[in-house]
Amino acid sequence: KNEVEQSPQNLTAQEGEFITINCSYSVGISALHWLQQHPGGGIVSLFMLSSGKKKHGRLIATINIQEKHSSLHITASHPRDSAVYICAVIRMNQFYFGTGTSLTVIP
Amino acid sequence: DTAVSQTPKYLVTQMGNDKSIKCEQNLGHDTMYWYKQDSKKFLKIMFSYNNKELIINETVPNRFSPKSPDKAHLNLHINSLELGDSAVYFCASSQVGTGYDEQFFGPGTRLTVL
Repeated sequence: KNEVEQSPQNLTAQEGEFITINCSYSVGISALHWLQQHPGGGIVSLFMLSSGKKKHGRLIATINIQEKHSSLHITASHPRDSAVYICAVIRMNQFYFGTGTSLTVIP
Repeated sequence: DTAVSQTPKYLVTQMGNDKSIKCEQNLGHDTMYWYKQDSKKFLKIMFSYNNKELIINETVPNRFSPKSPDKAHLNLHINSLELGDSAVYFCASSQVGTGYDEQFFGPGTRLTVL
């Protein structure tokens, strides 16, 4: 069993929809990382969280340490948001990765 | 200006060969990482160096050896390449300080072992 579980695995949305991607983990962590991998393969770091909530443009990330859960929200989704979103948790100097959520936003 | 660069972008080689992938960052970060992404797109950390000192060394074959000549560079040497080493390798950097901060990734090196 993977220490980090993401849901859904695949997600298709219409442009403009509000999107939520979930990440649950089973270990105590010091931080949680949301990554975006574009269809071309490039990886971008979206957020690093240890508590609460962060917002950047149309992206919002939240984390509940007690429930060992994080969500990534995308408001007013756009086809350029189509990518794989990867959750990773950091515990001591150990990194644990989710298997990713593949998002397709249709115009 | 490229923040994190890797060379080469593509590497095709025969089994048994020794190869290196270079990584450089111009962000002034103190920590650099190597990741491997396999054919199923699963990302896994391999190594991390902080100020030229190894701080993360996941279970990888000892054929893989990172070398950090200075804070701005973390090169990956792979000896006796095997078919299973075929993957995309990503370098990244961050400023860790008192805790982990967001990472900046290089464009990746696609290694194909024939």
